[in-house]
Amino acid sequence: DGGITQSPKYLFRKEGQNVTLSCEQNLNHDAMYWYRQDPGQGLRLIYYSQIVNDFQKGDIAEGYSVSREKKESFPLTVTSAQKNPTAFYLCASSIWPTGYTFGSGTRLTVV
Amino acid sequence: EDQVTQSPEALRLQEGESSSLNCSYTVSGLRGLFWYRQDPGKGPEFLFTLYSAGEEKEKERLKATLTKKESFLHITAPKPEDSATYLCAVDNAGNMLTFGGGTRLMVKP
Repeated sequence: DGGITQSPKYLFRKEGQNVTLSCEQNLNHDAMYWYRQDPGQGLRLIYYSQIVNDFQKGDIAEGYSVSREKKESFPLTVTSAQKNPTAFYLCASSIWPTGYTFGSGTRLTVV
Repeated sequence: EDQVTQSPEALRLQEGESSSLNCSYTVSGLRGLFWYRQDPGKGPEFLFTLYSAGEEKEKERLKATLTKKESFLHITAPKPEDSATYLCAVDNAGNMLTFGGGTRLMVKP
């Protein structure tokens, strides 16, 4: 079955540490996205990529970085510059008119 | 700038008590409006896409409708398993979705 796989499900980050969240899709979708969700709130766009080797900042890109070297993969790095990284991170891919298909999420906690 | 506002933020219903969730939007050019269901700790699950005013779609106890300014998600005779957060989002032909804050639905037996 096609889908999006996010790993790990839970991730703990120490102060000053960079961490990378994985997102892989086998849906052959061109576009991929990273969203952040805080408790009781909606989704906020961090970065998106419409094609390989190209990506754009979303509304809250500061403290995050991405790469898109392969169509199937869109990893997100949470850098030490992100001062409040504790949140639920969701990866998605899309192709019109299906809309977005989401992964199961990664919960990141600062320890 | 596209905006999506969902109301109410939270809704408590008794099992069997029908109600509606609202999604108001402003968008430069609507290509589609999406409804998703999200369970705690999981990614959103696709429910419906609506493309033009007057369109309606149904799935089990859920029915989504669309006007030029808002969409409603009607829940008929809900069951406890319908408890979830329901998210609305709009696509303005930029291949990006703008999400509302969601409505957290709790259905008590």
